[in-house]
Amino acid sequence: EAGVTQSPTHLIKTRGQQATLRCSPISGHTSVYWYQQALGLGLQFLLWYDEGEERNRGNFPPRFSGRQFPNYSSELNVNALELEDSALYLCASSTTVLRRYEQYFGPGTRLTVT
Amino acid sequence: GEDVEQSLFLSVREGDSSVINCTYTDSSSTYLYWYKQEPGAGLQLLTYIFSNMDMKQDQRLTVLLNKKDKHLSLRIADTQTGDSAIYFCAEIESGGYQKVTFGTGTKLQVIP
Repeated sequence: EAGVTQSPTHLIKTRGQQATLRCSPISGHTSVYWYQQALGLGLQFLLWYDEGEERNRGNFPPRFSGRQFPNYSSELNVNALELEDSALYLCASSTTVLRRYEQYFGPGTRLTVT
Repeated sequence: GEDVEQSLFLSVREGDSSVINCTYTDSSSTYLYWYKQEPGAGLQLLTYIFSNMDMKQDQRLTVLLNKKDKHLSLRIADTQTGDSAIYFCAEIESGGYQKVTFGTGTKLQVIP
């Protein structure tokens, strides 16, 4: 069974630009979660999508947004990039049926803002 | 708000047991997790425990939960060099909002 995949592996942007990160969940999983792992800050919850809808978001400004497509893959967009947005962005997926509390993570996208 | 704390570093000798500790503050937590992150990799779900359980064992892993003290621990028996990684505990809030709060992570170093 293929795991959660993310692309790109690395992304380098300059301040003020926009970044788009992509995630494909495990087949059969309908929920996708996004997390930011910044140096010294640990893992922070960003967004949760389920069945195409945004269900919950963490304490991040509106320039962090995303969407979930009909095939349950997801995109995270970060607008007006700031230096402190440099981090590893992790995507996770789960099923909303019996084991919805089990989240499986992808390898992450490392975003560097210069 | 919720907060999850862990010690930053643990060093053990190969073959010994490792115990990684975690404290949390959200009394409404439904599930508590342990994740492993190896260098350059994503998070691997190791195990989880329901908040109405005290203990869960899975091969070399034993999870203990003390709800009164809001303390969670992960014991790894017969620790191997391949166990070297960062271990995160995490809690999920109840209410169906699926928000997971992670601890700061404990770096486990296994000395051969």
